[in-house]
Amino acid sequence: KAGVTQTPRYLIKTRGQQVTLSCSPISGHRSVSWYQQTPGQGLQFLFEYFSETQRNKGNFPGRFSGRQFSNSRSEMNVSTLELGDSALYLCASSPGLAGAYNEQFFGPGTRLTVL
Amino acid sequence: AQSVAQPEDQVNVAEGNPLTVKCTYSVSGNPYLFWYVQYPNRGLQFLLKYITGDNLVKGSYGFEAEFNKSQTSFHLKKPSALVSDSALYFCAVRDGNRDDKIIFGKGTRLHILP
Repeated sequence: KAGVTQTPRYLIKTRGQQVTLSCSPISGHRSVSWYQQTPGQGLQFLFEYFSETQRNKGNFPGRFSGRQFSNSRSEMNVSTLELGDSALYLCASSPGLAGAYNEQFFGPGTRLTVL
Repeated sequence: AQSVAQPEDQVNVAEGNPLTVKCTYSVSGNPYLFWYVQYPNRGLQFLLKYITGDNLVKGSYGFEAEFNKSQTSFHLKKPSALVSDSALYFCAVRDGNRDDKIIFGKGTRLHILP
């Protein structure tokens, strides 16, 4: 099976712009979760989608949004980018809800730099 | 609210020595516990998990972890460290009795010294 894929791998944007990141889960996986990783804050949960429904959401402002399509692929959008949004954004998939019996499979991440 | 703590930002161990990476957690229900490892410029990889059953869990690359309910801990261990074990390690917990998100610790950087 192919692993979790994320596109693009690297992105450079300027403040005020918006960005869309894409994640394709492992075939058959219904849950997709998104995380922001920074050196100071570790791994911060953004949101989880399961069968096109947002099941859980982290403590991020409304500028961060996401969605999941019927084929389980997911997108994450960040509007009005700020310098502090520079981070590695990780996507993870699992057959069922994240952490409910099943481990997650992570993609390689998208490195976002905001100038 | 559920939480997980990794009290050490960094752990240094000589090659061949045993290693321990600490993790403590807090949940109101039954904990589902996970360890992941991240190598440079890579996503996280699953190492092992505790859902139920034996308190000693064995995982990938010779790692194991012991679930201790009374101490609310799930420390990661390996009898003999390899230089290739040098990486960033994350502990994660989910409350098995609630429909809630999985929480990750801040990570512990493990340095194995040759």
